[in-house]
Amino acid sequence: DAKTTQPNSMESNEEEPVHLPCNHSTISGTDYIHWYRQLPSQGPEYVIHGLTSNVNNRMASLAIAEDRKSSTLILHRATLRDAAVYYCILRDTGNQFYFGTGTSLTVIP
Amino acid sequence: EPEVTQTPSHQVTQMGQEVILRCVPISNHLYFYWYRQILGQKVEFLVSFYNNEISEKSEIFDDQFSVERPDGSNFTLKIRSTKLEDSAMYFCASGMKGRVNTGELFFGEGSRLTVL
Repeated sequence: DAKTTQPNSMESNEEEPVHLPCNHSTISGTDYIHWYRQLPSQGPEYVIHGLTSNVNNRMASLAIAEDRKSSTLILHRATLRDAAVYYCILRDTGNQFYFGTGTSLTVIP
Repeated sequence: EPEVTQTPSHQVTQMGQEVILRCVPISNHLYFYWYRQILGQKVEFLVSFYNNEISEKSEIFDDQFSVERPDGSNFTLKIRSTKLEDSAMYFCASGMKGRVNTGELFFGEGSRLTVL
């Protein structure tokens, strides 16, 4: 499965923007970049996805490097409810998604 | 908002027993998945299911496991002869046809299996 690299943990102050980085230097031309998050004691939750262009939705923004070897998930104003493990995932040749260890985000009140 | 529901939320079983975990995917979804997460570890793919058959499975999904869609709404995971190492949270997920490849899977809250 295509590999991604994320920091193990990050901290953010409440109501400040958070930039969660992801490196995926071996990404193929047709791989979509997906972000999911897992709140404590819950199942994973879809956040956002993109292919080449930057993407925005009600939850977050996704900034994709021009060479597609890295991306950044942007939470514009972190809230306590955003404390979760954030996973950056590249779609495999099949339909399944391989979750890595993700970035554990702590939001400080 | 439609959601994936799973039952039971927690099941305790004796080693060697059979367990069936049940999932009700979102009604217009056609792709179904099972994942598991051992406590403190990564979310691991088990199996995907489409058009009434397994489309992909991982190495974890051996003969001990089976999946079934017995009717139009339920999607089940059966674990035969449970082992201690099967203790984990099992997540069901579903996706819409045509949107699955772009990544929008909807996960349930999970079923925690404890094997004693």
